[in-house]
Amino acid sequence: AQSVTQPDIHITVSEGASLELRCNYSYGATPYLFWYVQSPGQGLQLLLKYFSGDTLVQGIKGFEAEFKRSQSSFNLRKPSVHWSDAAEYFCAVGAAGKSTFGDGTTLTVKP
Amino acid sequence: SQTIHQWPATLVQPVGSPLSLECTVEGTSNPNLYWYRQAAGRGLQLLFYSVGIGQISSEVPQNLSASRPQDRQFILSSKKLLLSDSGFYLCAWSVRDTYEQYFGPGTRLTVT
Repeated sequence: AQSVTQPDIHITVSEGASLELRCNYSYGATPYLFWYVQSPGQGLQLLLKYFSGDTLVQGIKGFEAEFKRSQSSFNLRKPSVHWSDAAEYFCAVGAAGKSTFGDGTTLTVKP
Repeated sequence: SQTIHQWPATLVQPVGSPLSLECTVEGTSNPNLYWYRQAAGRGLQLLFYSVGIGQISSEVPQNLSASRPQDRQFILSSKKLLLSDSGFYLCAWSVRDTYEQYFGPGTRLTVT
């Protein structure tokens, strides 16, 4: 069975600073990988996904993520954070007919 | 384009009362459908998923049940709510045989 770990429960960055949210997965092969964002009191929105091919994927809202097979990681990055990026971020893995979500990372943006 | 609806948006119910939350999807056919619960400050817990009408798989034993009476309708129910049923309930859909999920706006349930 697959598993997903988001090591950082809470991250605070200053507006305009760069951001990296970590995600590690456990699975015997390369799974489907996703990042979702959730604003308070709302549903989740898909930011980006990786199925195969280029290991650097671009998503919406200026986010990108890099798949590193050797590290079993799929970290989310953004060069310059905006105050509106404050939200909960979830990494997810899809494999063997099942999707598994991490516990999430809460992003706070300081003015 | 596809849209997913959930209602009600918020609900306050006393312990022991029944529950019915509804989710409908528009603009797609034969979707996989999912019910998740999200406790405060926690991740997503998959409760039920369905690959077709009348086909429900339960992930966590509890006093909740789910039904799929129509292709694009998914209902979460309980005969008697517990305090521990409080949380944020999310419905989601995906294209058959894919893992990319699309979520509804959620229902905030408070059991008092």
